[in-house]
Amino acid sequence: RKEVEQDPGPFNVPEGATVAFNCTYSNSASQSFFWYRQDCRKEPKLLMSVYSSGNEDGRFTAQLNRASQYISLLIRDSKLSDSATYLCVVRNAGGTSYGKLTFGQGTILTVHP
Amino acid sequence: GAGVSQSPSNKVTEKGKDVELRCDPISGHTALYWYRQSLGQGLEFLIYFQGNSAPDKSGLPSDRFSAERTGGSVSTLTIQRTQQEDSAVYLCASSPEDRPIKPQHFGDGTRLSIL
Repeated sequence: RKEVEQDPGPFNVPEGATVAFNCTYSNSASQSFFWYRQDCRKEPKLLMSVYSSGNEDGRFTAQLNRASQYISLLIRDSKLSDSATYLCVVRNAGGTSYGKLTFGQGTILTVHP
Repeated sequence: GAGVSQSPSNKVTEKGKDVELRCDPISGHTALYWYRQSLGQGLEFLIYFQGNSAPDKSGLPSDRFSAERTGGSVSTLTIQRTQQEDSAVYLCASSPEDRPIKPQHFGDGTRLSIL
């Protein structure tokens, strides 16, 4: 089983739609959680950190459920510019792997006119 | 620019040659990470530096891979006797310190192609 698993996608949605991505992680010792965005042939860029209480940044809402080891990302009012691959990322703490990021395979989102 | 800088941006070489990839982290960032992303694959952790030491080398795929960091700044990833399966984008990331909450900032990557 992969350490971080995501919806495989791809998601193909019209502008203005709401879309949600899910992610599960297997290591219960994981401490920090992020969503990164990666455009084609570009480096990953931090979209947002995910906090236990859930957090929102404009049209983006992230949720964390530690009991279920589940993370989600909701995008409201999708824009064409949201088209990208969304990476669920988990960071563990402790031991020699402190700080190592573990990435999901990514979910491809295409927003069309 | 104040971001993570990697060079070269592209490297094409013949199988069996050695290659050296360079990463300049953001100034003052003590933690540095190497990852690679193969075609159709997710990002894969290679090695982590805190200062000049590498407490976690667990992701290096074989003994042909090595990395060093000097002066707590620049890092080089060396691949000896390259194989075709080494073809990938090699990404470097840095963060201000090794704390759980600090995100990592990525460079543009080096696209390595082994012929």
